[in-house]
Amino acid sequence: KQEVTQIPAALSVPEGENLVLNCSFTDSAIYNLQWFRQDPGKGLTSLLLIQSSQREQTSGRLNASLDKSSGRSTLYIAASQPGDSATYLCVVRNYGQNFVFGPGTRLSVLP
Amino acid sequence: GAVVSQHPSRVICKSGTSVKIECRSLDFQATTMFWYRQFPKQSLMLMATSNEGSKATYEQGVEKDKFLINHASLTLSTLTVTSAHPEDSSFYICSARGGQKLQETQYFGPGTRLLVL
Repeated sequence: KQEVTQIPAALSVPEGENLVLNCSFTDSAIYNLQWFRQDPGKGLTSLLLIQSSQREQTSGRLNASLDKSSGRSTLYIAASQPGDSATYLCVVRNYGQNFVFGPGTRLSVLP
Repeated sequence: GAVVSQHPSRVICKSGTSVKIECRSLDFQATTMFWYRQFPKQSLMLMATSNEGSKATYEQGVEKDKFLINHASLTLSTLTVTSAHPEDSSFYICSARGGQKLQETQYFGPGTRLLVL
């Protein structure tokens, strides 16, 4: 059974810092991995999608990497801003088409 | 833990027909439900947000007349794909959020795979 964990559970940083969010999964036979942000009371916003054959994806200040063999993905946020404050979810999709959600990392970027 | 179910899990229909997908929160009252879809090799994308007893709020690019959402009770939301076409074939997943606090966790259903022939 696939399990997804995220570390840290919460993170508070001053504005401008670069930071890394970590995601681990137990079964490396994944179809893809996605990173989302969740703002209070809102639906998920897709940030980056990494297919199983890819090693990283970049979008603006965000960079996500995938290492299937070690069961890890990282989300790197450069030059953090207060607007980046949200909960970040790592979601693994298995070949059986089901999604497994990580518990999330709550990020606070202080001005 | 909170459980969200979806029915059906898979559906195949002919082009031009309508398909209804149900999302139920089994052990909690969901004040807000979200509907997502994922096309092959693309990200899971939010379609709409529905609050019990009020009209759904649709994301940009999602046709509200094509994707009818009803959230008539605190435990049930339905998504009806009207006059479905092959390009509507996708994986549809709902999530439910309960409680009054905006920070309440979302619980996701297992998803519904729709294939329109």
